[in-house]
Amino acid sequence: DIPMLQSPSFVTASVGDTVTITCRAGRSISIWLAWYQQKPGKAPKLLISGASNLQTGVPSRFSGSGSGTHFTLTINSLQPEDFATYYCQEANNFPYSFGQGTIVEIK
Amino acid sequence: QITLKESGPTLVKPTETLTLTCSFSGFSLSTSGLGVGWLRQPPGKALEWLGVIFWDEDKYDNPSLESRVTITKDTSKNQVVLRMTNMDPADTATYFCAHRDSSGWSAYWGQGIMVTVSS
Repeated sequence: DIPMLQSPSFVTASVGDTVTITCRAGRSISIWLAWYQQKPGKAPKLLISGASNLQTGVPSRFSGSGSGTHFTLTINSLQPEDFATYYCQEANNFPYSFGQGTIVEIK
Repeated sequence: QITLKESGPTLVKPTETLTLTCSFSGFSLSTSGLGVGWLRQPPGKALEWLGVIFWDEDKYDNPSLESRVTITKDTSKNQVVLRMTNMDPADTATYFCAHRDSSGWSAYWGQGIMVTVSS
């Protein structure tokens, strides 16, 4: 198991704000890091793979960076549809651990 | 396009065995590099991989579940089956299956099935 420490657990923000979420791996995972968005009652949606590769159709206000043990997800100019829970996930070593999630709530 | 859907009981009793089926389309699990995994999410909590099976029959199950999980595939039917023994109320969760591509990413998920463990 590679522990994935995600912070903050909760962030309150307004439309138009920039939000940054951090994920730290217990040991180096190179760029084997994914970011997901999940809305209530829905399956997670893959936003970013390989730490920084935006999935097709995901708005460019989402960006990911980092390698090794420290990663960030940044959402620029937050939109109403971005209020959700975000998870990081290590993707190379089973059980492909997830972070505990960050709830992004509207102020 | 790739789709996956979970099916099975939504209520099981403690100590019973849970069997869920993931039926998928848009890909074949005989294709090199591909896998299908099972995950779960207890209400209000984070996601957890239970196990994964690959095109070549290689498979992993989460050691935290102490060998309670078995995953099998039927390539001809495009199905992957999760079997989880000795269910407990703590196993109440939404169970998802997900496609794992040859690069290791999971962009396609089923809608999930909520399973409650209660007598």
